[in-house]
Order: sequence, then C-alpha cells, then structure tokens
Amino acid sequence: SAVISQKPSRDICQRGTSLTIQCQVDSQVTMMFWYRQQPGQSLTLIATANQGSEATYESGFVIDKFPISRPNLTFSTLTVSNMSPEDSSIYLCSVQLARGTGELFFGEGSRLTVL
Amino acid sequence: AQSVAQPEDQVNVAEGNPLTVKCTYSVSGNPYLFWYVQYPNRGLQFLLKYITGDNLVKGSYGFEAEFNKSQTSFHLKKPSALVSDSALYFCAVRDPSGGTYKYIFGTGTRLKVLA
Repeated sequence: SAVISQKPSRDICQRGTSLTIQCQVDSQVTMMFWYRQQPGQSLTLIATANQGSEATYESGFVIDKFPISRPNLTFSTLTVSNMSPEDSSIYLCSVQLARGTGELFFGEGSRLTVL
Repeated sequence: AQSVAQPEDQVNVAEGNPLTVKCTYSVSGNPYLFWYVQYPNRGLQFLLKYITGDNLVKGSYGFEAEFNKSQTSFHLKKPSALVSDSALYFCAVRDPSGGTYKYIFGTGTRLKVLA
C-alpha cells in the first residue's frame, strides 16, 4: 500500500485567487493522478502528473487553469488558478504503485470552498 | 465507450441484515473491477478488486463482490451489515486492453445502515 499526505485538507478561498495543493507519497510511484470530486458527484480525472514533464490533461481541463508539477517520484502539486465558486470541490491525489495490480490509493483530499 | 453504472443513489439496510450495492459496467475488453469506500471527510479507500480467476472476491471489512460476465455486473455484498459500514461506495472499472491506465468511476451509492 501507500500512504499519501495531502495539504491543505481544506481551505476557503476568495474568487480570483489561486491555491496550490501538495501531495506527498511515502514511496516511489510510477503513476500519480489528480481527481476532482464535486459536491454529490463522482470522481473526474483532471490529469496524470508526469515526472519531469508536462502533465497529461483530460478533456475539459487545461494547464492554465490547473498547472501541475511533479519534480520527483514521490511529490506533486496541483494549482487551481483564478478560482471561481464553480471550482469548489474536493481535489484528490491518487497513485498506482509500480508493482501493484491495479488499485489506486488516495489521499484524504483537499476540500476547497470558493466564495 | 467505457462506463460504470450504480443504479441506486442510496441503499438503506438494517444492522445485521445482508447488504448489496449494485454495479454494472460496459467495457470493450476484459475489465479490471474495483470497489472503493469513502467515509465522511476522507479520501477513497480500496475495498476489493477483480482481475481474473474466481468470480467471488473477498475484500476488506468482510465485504465481497461477485463478478458476473454475462450480466456485466460486479455487485458488492456483505452478509451482515454494521452501522459503521455507512458510507459512500464507488464502483470503478479499468480496461487494460488498450494499455490505458484510466479508471472510470460510478456515481456512487450511499449506504445507510440503521441500528
């Protein structure tokens, strides 16, 4: 398994500001993902964080809005830029172990409220 | 296109009774299937998975799930529900045939176990 630490766990932000979420894993992992879980909804994949290169974004998500960094195999950040109330969500960091058989491990999530 | 359906938004069951949370899927190849649980203000936790082999898989906290290829279903079950099982449950599918790492999550089913 993997232990994933995410921070902040929650924050209240003002419209137009940006917030960076950090994700730290206790072991080296190949695949690291960022998901969004809007209130009462399922998980939507934002992007795959690639070590040392640009993240791979899913349809509907762009780098200008959700810049992602991954400087090494255990750490990644997601920034939510120029926030609006529609960005109020839980943002989840997730990893798949290099030798795992498929399951994902999730951080506790970062609950953002944009006023 | 891949998809996962959880037809019930909420399932209520009395403590001590058996529970079933339903999941059906649609993928082009042989799927990897997963169940996750999310407790309030927490990230998702892996419960169990089906990759290949025995259609009945056992997982954490006494949960099990049965893979039914003909019905394209992967229902989550537990013989005797506990109040502490009350949570949000997500079914997820991954189609490994195309080399993709992407997971598709269902919309979630809220399980409420009544004392």
